Amino acid sequence: SQTIHQWPATLVQPVGSPLSLECTVEGTSNPNLYWYRQAAGRGLQLLFYSVGIGQISSEVPQNLSASRPQDRQFILSSKKLLLSDSGFYLCAWSVDSLLAPYEQYFGPGTRLTVT
Amino acid sequence: QQPVQSPQAVILREGEDAVINCSSSKALYSVHWYRQKHGEAPVFLMILLKGGEQKGHDKISASFNEKKQQSSLYLTASQLSYSGTYFCGTETGQGGKLIFGQGTELSVKP
Repeated sequence: SQTIHQWPATLVQPVGSPLSLECTVEGTSNPNLYWYRQAAGRGLQLLFYSVGIGQISSEVPQNLSASRPQDRQFILSSKKLLLSDSGFYLCAWSVDSLLAPYEQYFGPGTRLTVT
Repeated sequence: QQPVQSPQAVILREGEDAVINCSSSKALYSVHWYRQKHGEAPVFLMILLKGGEQKGHDKISASFNEKKQQSSLYLTASQLSYSGTYFCGTETGQGGKLIFGQGTELSVKP
């Protein structure tokens, strides 16, 4: 069966510090991978999605970046965090198919507080 | 363009029914429904494809009106476990990219 891991679970970082969040998927090959951010009490904002190694699409221009160094690894980074980067960061995966849409499965999330 | 969900919040007694609507200004390829409990990750409920189909399992079902670019989620005989925030995610083209609505908070009271 497929599982998705995220770490760390919680993180408190000062403004201006760097960020690295990691997401890995097990039990599937060539998944589509996604990074979302959810501000407190708000909806899910798509940040990045990837259909393959090295293929990243950015949805929201900001000080965040994403990389996919391996098939089942997705990393979210920032060189300098802003207060507005606080939120609940969710990684998700789905089957890669052009034939039919597939559901997305979410990881447990990382709760980031920028102070 | 973010789909619009209504209502924003609803409070029910156990056993009551609820309808959550999701409207888009763009033509839709599919609509996905998810439920999120407080502090947890969203959990997939169902997908509806263009073609006006209706789906359901247990006491939760959904419809998709392609022409109106709308989907509705129906919760019947609600249970305490139905409490949470419901999100619709819309897909306007193939490729798996979803744009989520702002969510509908559902509270079921005993």
